[in-house]
Amino acid sequence: DGGITQSPKYLFRKEGQNVTLSCEQNLNHDAMYWYRQDPGQGLRLIYYSQIVNDFQKGDIAEGYSVSREKKESFPLTVTSAQKNPTAFYLCASSMVGANVLTFGAGSRLTVL
Amino acid sequence: EDKVVQSPLSLVVHEGDTVTLNCSYEVTNFRSLLWYKQEKKAPTFLFMLTSSGIEKKSGRLSSILDKKELFSILNITATQTGDSAVYLCAVGTGANSKLTFGKGITLSVRP
Repeated sequence: DGGITQSPKYLFRKEGQNVTLSCEQNLNHDAMYWYRQDPGQGLRLIYYSQIVNDFQKGDIAEGYSVSREKKESFPLTVTSAQKNPTAFYLCASSMVGANVLTFGAGSRLTVL
Repeated sequence: EDKVVQSPLSLVVHEGDTVTLNCSYEVTNFRSLLWYKQEKKAPTFLFMLTSSGIEKKSGRLSSILDKKELFSILNITATQTGDSAVYLCAVGTGANSKLTFGKGITLSVRP
């Protein structure tokens, strides 16, 4: 079955540590996205990529980094520069130019 | 700055009730409005609306868009406990498929 796989589902991190969240899709979608979801805040766009080796900052990119070396993969690194990293992170993908996103099941990051 | 506002932010109903969820927007270069249902994890797609006045329907759920007044509604008739979820509204703008989401509406359906 085609879909998006995010891992890990739950992650704990100490302050000052970087952590990388994995996102893999087998939908043959060109575009991939990372969103952050906080209670009462809806989804906010962190980064997106429409083609391999290219990506753009979203609305809240500070303290995050991404790479897009393969079409199927779009990992997100939450760096120690991110002041409030505890959140639920959702990865999504779509055909380029299409507004309908397919989402992964999410990764919940807690900073201790 | 693009804005999407959903209301109410939460509501509690009993099984069998009909509910109407609202989504208003102020964006530049509107392309589409989408509704998603989120039950704890991955949001799942419900509807995409691009034209005013054309109702989209799927079972007990229906939605319509008013591009003049800049809003959409999502109706759920004969609600069931399985309808309990967060309902997200998002507006697509520009040529790059960028979506702006509202804060979501938490619906609780009591037996």
